[in-house]
Formats: sequence, structure tokens, C-alpha cells
Amino acid sequence: GNSVTQMEGPVTLSEEAFLTINCTYTATGYPSLFWYVQYPGEGLQLLLKATKADDKGSNKGFEATYRKETTSFHLEKGSVQVSDSAVYFCALSDYFDGGFKTIFGAGTRLFVKA
Amino acid sequence: DGGITQSPKYLFRKEGQNVTLSCEQNLNHDAMYWYRQDPGQGLRLIYYSQIVNDFQKGDIAEGYSVSREKKESFPLTVTSAQKNPTAFYLCASSTGTDQNQPQHFGDGTRLSIL
Repeated sequence: GNSVTQMEGPVTLSEEAFLTINCTYTATGYPSLFWYVQYPGEGLQLLLKATKADDKGSNKGFEATYRKETTSFHLEKGSVQVSDSAVYFCALSDYFDGGFKTIFGAGTRLFVKA
Repeated sequence: DGGITQSPKYLFRKEGQNVTLSCEQNLNHDAMYWYRQDPGQGLRLIYYSQIVNDFQKGDIAEGYSVSREKKESFPLTVTSAQKNPTAFYLCASSTGTDQNQPQHFGDGTRLSIL
């Protein structure tokens, strides 16, 4: 079946530190991969996506590369800011059970200290 | 601006009462989704609809009901049969025709038991 596993949080970093949030997936087909971000009291927003192997998604200094050989899509940022504090969700989208569906990981909470 | 509107932001339910959560979108999306989010957990799919007048159960449909009479609207009813309804409920939409397209989320409704 399809599933997404991401590293447990919370992750606590100082401002300007390097961020990595690991994400691995299992899929029966050829999924598209996404990272979403959720700020307190809000819904999820798309952060970046990659639709095929070796694609790199990037946005607001965040990057993730679709690695088919390791079934991974790790999120990275070179220098985090306090405003990056949020919950980050890795997700895959594919066609199964009669429709296009998205499977979400459990989320990783990031705290960035000034 | 196009988007998804969920209302109310906070909702309280008495024992034995049904409550309805509203979700409206003006993105002209065919597919709409309801998710439940519990603290520290990912999103679990309750119901989804790929087209007007049609919907399918997700992973945790018991105790919930939906309707899709209009393309723009996908209300969720939490019935008295749902014994543990306290959670954050998120509505989302997408084109539904392409796995590369992300889901767009509302800002959620937080449901609590009185």
C-alpha cells in the first residue's frame, strides 16, 4: 500500500541553523511528492512539490529532491528563521482506489529559537 | 481571491447532538475532501467527493455524513454516533484530475464537546 513516514518531532533549532526533516514513502505506483506547512490555528499550505524522480522542489529557501532509489523526499533549509516555526507534513499523491488521493505523514513540529 | 472557507472556526457539541461544519470553495475544483486532525497526528481522511452528487467514504467515515449538492459546497455532519468528535477538522479541494496538483485547505473548524 501507500504510506509516508517522517521523522518525529519536535525539532528545536537556533536561528540560522541548518534544517533537515526526513521523509520516506512507500507506493505501489509513481506518486507525486509534496511538503505542506501548517502554522498554528490554520490549514495546510503547499510549500513545495516534485512530480518525478530526481526533480527538486524549492520555495522560500526550502528544498527537497525526489529520490526514487531511496524512496525519500527529505526537506532541507540552509538557515532557518523564527518565522519558520510550524508543523511540516510530507505527502504523496497517486491514483488508487478509484481516485486521486493524498496520503500525509504524521507531521514534524519545528521550533526555531531566536 | 479564490480559496476555501470553513465555518465556524470553533464549534461546541452537546451529547446526542448532530452538528454540521460548512466548507465552501470558489476555486472551481471538482474534488473536495474532509480530514480529521488529532493532536500530534497526521490527517485522516473522512470522506471525499470527486464530482457533484457523488462521494466516497475515507478511512474513518463512521459517525460522519456528507452531501455534495453543489460543486462549491461540501458540508460535513458529525452525528451523535461519533463518540469521540473532539478534533480539528480540515476541508480541502483539488482539481481531482491530476496527481501533480496539490490540495488547497481551509483554515479548519475546531470541534469540542460541552
